[in-house]
Amino acid sequence: KNQVEQSPQSLIILEGKNCTLQCNYTVSPFSNLRWYKQDTGRGPVSLTIMTFSENTKSNGRYTATLDADTKQSSLHITASQLSDSASYICVVIYRDNYGQNFVFGPGTRLSVLP
Amino acid sequence: EPEVTQTPSHQVTQMGQEVILRCVPISNHLYFYWYRQILGQKVEFLVSFYNNEISEKSEIFDDQFSVERPDGSNFTLKIRSTKLEDSAMYFCASSEAWGGSMYEQYFGPGTRLTVT
Repeated sequence: KNQVEQSPQSLIILEGKNCTLQCNYTVSPFSNLRWYKQDTGRGPVSLTIMTFSENTKSNGRYTATLDADTKQSSLHITASQLSDSASYICVVIYRDNYGQNFVFGPGTRLSVLP
Repeated sequence: EPEVTQTPSHQVTQMGQEVILRCVPISNHLYFYWYRQILGQKVEFLVSFYNNEISEKSEIFDDQFSVERPDGSNFTLKIRSTKLEDSAMYFCASSEAWGGSMYEQYFGPGTRLTVT
């Protein structure tokens, strides 16, 4: 069954600290993996898009990694800011005979405290 | 910066009523999407739309749902006979293209639908 799991479920860190969020998936055949940031009550905002051949991709203080062999991805946030408090969602996209399919993870809720 | 807009921000309706959720995608985008998120649960894909027809849809998108692009700017999601379990946040998204799967999707702020 195509699934995306994320850990931890929630995380609390102090402002300025780094953190790493994990995403494991069983989706196949893999097309691409995306990380989104979702503020409470708002729509998700794209952080990164990674294809099979990409191991690392950065977007400012966000760095995503992908290991397609182990089907794992991580999102590393450097020097966290209060505005980083949000849910971070891992989405894996695969193709089948019917087209594109989106499998969303449950998200990790990050709280950054002053 | 262009953005996806959605109206209304909150819709309350009685069970069995029809609702139409409206979205204005980013003007030069060609692909449009609807997602929903039940409170406390993960985001779920409903449907994608391109060239005035449905491109892909999920199992959730059954006969009670329909989408339409009635004019050059609006993209709508209609729920014919709402059920209590349709209560959720509905997000519209758009992207420039889709073919290579590398195009970013831009999400709107969502419409919170409450069915009573």
